[in-house]
Amino acid sequence: AQSVTQPDIHITVSEGASLELRCNYSYGATPYLFWYVQSPGQGLQLLLKYFSGDTLVQGIKGFEAEFKRSQSSFNLRKPSVHWSDAAEYFCAVGASRGAQKLVFGQGTRLTINP
Amino acid sequence: NAGVTQTPKFRVLKTGQSMTLLCAQDMNHEYMYWYRQDPGMGLRLIHYSVGEGTTAKGEVPDGYNVSRLKKQNFLLGLESAAPSQTSVYFCASRRGQGESEQYFGPGTRLTVT
Repeated sequence: AQSVTQPDIHITVSEGASLELRCNYSYGATPYLFWYVQSPGQGLQLLLKYFSGDTLVQGIKGFEAEFKRSQSSFNLRKPSVHWSDAAEYFCAVGASRGAQKLVFGQGTRLTINP
Repeated sequence: NAGVTQTPKFRVLKTGQSMTLLCAQDMNHEYMYWYRQDPGMGLRLIHYSVGEGTTAKGEVPDGYNVSRLKKQNFLLGLESAAPSQTSVYFCASRRGQGESEQYFGPGTRLTVT
């Protein structure tokens, strides 16, 4: 069975600083990986996804993520954060592209200092 | 398109009361999901449906029932609410097997006292 761990419950960065959110997964085969963002009081929105091919994937809002099979990681990055990036971020894994279910990590809450 | 909508947005129940949460999507999606979100635990899947008239159990189905009588609606029922069911409930839908992205509703905040 798949599992996802997001080691950081809460991260605070200054506006304009770079950001990296960690995600580690456990799955025996090639995983299908996702990052979602949840703004306060809102539902989740897909930022980006990885299925195969180039291990560096670009998403919306200037985010990118890198799949590293050797480290079982799919970390989310942004070169320069904006105050509007304050939100909760969830990593998720599926067993296949068409997997019926996703398994979500615990989430990382991002706070931006002005 | 309204996307995925959830009714109600907030609700307070007393222990033992029942209620139904409604999820509606206007995107003609085949798959629909109910999750609960609790602090430090991410999203956990309660039940899901891969098409009209079908339902299946997720990770935490106990205490909940669901129905998918119409393709666009997915109902989540609590027959006898318990304080442990205090949570934020999210509905999501997905086009079908060939499309992986799930589209989420805004959530329902439920408090059971």
